[in-house]
Amino acid sequence: DAGVIQSPRHEVTEMGQEVTLRCKPISGHNSLFWYRQTMMRGLELLIYFNNNVPIDDSGMPEDRFSAKMPNASFSTLKIQPSEPRDSAVYFCASGRGGTSYNEQFFGPGTRLTVL
Amino acid sequence: AQSVAQPEDQVNVAEGNPLTVKCTYSVSGNPYLFWYVQYPNRGLQFLLKYITGDNLVKGSYGFEAEFNKSQTSFHLKKPSALVSDSALYFCAVREGAGGFKTIFGAGTRLFVKA
Repeated sequence: DAGVIQSPRHEVTEMGQEVTLRCKPISGHNSLFWYRQTMMRGLELLIYFNNNVPIDDSGMPEDRFSAKMPNASFSTLKIQPSEPRDSAVYFCASGRGGTSYNEQFFGPGTRLTVL
Repeated sequence: AQSVAQPEDQVNVAEGNPLTVKCTYSVSGNPYLFWYVQYPNRGLQFLLKYITGDNLVKGSYGFEAEFNKSQTSFHLKKPSALVSDSALYFCAVREGAGGFKTIFGAGTRLFVKA
């Protein structure tokens, strides 16, 4: 199994530009999570999908952030317009089912730098 | 609301010595507890979890963790540390019975010196 796949691995952009991060979860997993990691704030849950449906997006910082999951094998996180404070490592994770006791499998992350 | 605390930013231990990384939690219901490890420039990897049953849980790479309900703790342990165990360790908690939201601790950096 290839694991969770994220692209790009690194993204450098200028303030005001649109950024799209992509994620392919592990086949057969029906829950998907987007996290953001920074030194200051640690690991933050942004949004959670179950069976392609957004369940909780309360962690999304503001309206500049949006996430979609058009099918079971693909999700995107979009930032428009981007700002320097969005610089972070963004992780996608997937898991089996919607139950509490299943662990999550993390992708390698996308390191975003907004200049 | 659920929360998890890792009181130590960093733990230093000599290779071959036992190690402990501390974690305490707070949930209103039954806790589901997890440990993850993160190596440089990598995503988090699952180590072990406590759901129910035996309070001592064994996981990957020789790690184990002990669930203590009275102290609301879930400390990660290993009898003999390796240099390759040096990494960032995260404790995480989920509220049982349908809770999906995982709350991660701030992380503890483990340094194992040869």
